Amino acid sequence: EAEVAQSPRYKITEKSQAVAFWCDPISGHATLYWYRQILGQGPELLVQFQDESVVDDSQLPKDRFSAERLKGVDSTLKIQPAELGDSAMYLCASSPGTAGIQYFGAGTRLSVL
Amino acid sequence: KNQVEQSPQSLIILEGKNCTLQCNYTVSPFSNLRWYKQDTGRGPVSLTIMTFSENTKSNGRYTATLDADTKQSSLHITASQLSDSASYICVVSGADMRFGAGTRLTVKP
Repeated sequence: EAEVAQSPRYKITEKSQAVAFWCDPISGHATLYWYRQILGQGPELLVQFQDESVVDDSQLPKDRFSAERLKGVDSTLKIQPAELGDSAMYLCASSPGTAGIQYFGAGTRLSVL
Repeated sequence: KNQVEQSPQSLIILEGKNCTLQCNYTVSPFSNLRWYKQDTGRGPVSLTIMTFSENTKSNGRYTATLDADTKQSSLHITASQLSDSASYICVVSGADMRFGAGTRLTVKP
């Protein structure tokens, strides 16, 4: 069964360092999402792509976060510089369109020390 | 204020018992409502998706209901198993998507 792949699974970094997360969606899925999930809370949308275009990045802290999906397939989320409050699970999801079920990856657990 | 409120925040039940989780929303317009199961340290997995015209949908021991008039949904788990221990997240789509904070279910032997 096709899955959304994310790497790394875990990342520990010091504050002010740069970190990057990678996501490979299910083949053929045009829509890709990045979420941040703080422990005990629901996921919060950071950015949504339709193919290579950003559809929604209204909740992305653009002073330190950036996301790209250059060829409309895999995607990278970057944080520079990381802050203590960025410690969270970063989830990637994909869907065939914008209204269907989203398939989530296992996530990247980020700890900023 | 979150437009999707879930209750209870956490729940502990004994294996074999039934339970019901609640989701109330104020999202408008409404497109669909989904329930996800999220195991600890994993990404959410879809259980059910319901549109405006559907008021019940089952997936094995999971049955979701939707009352679009009162903007309430419930997820009923029958004959709980230890593997049901997880967070259950309600997601409501309208103009955008809104996630509830989830209900943390623990099933004990």
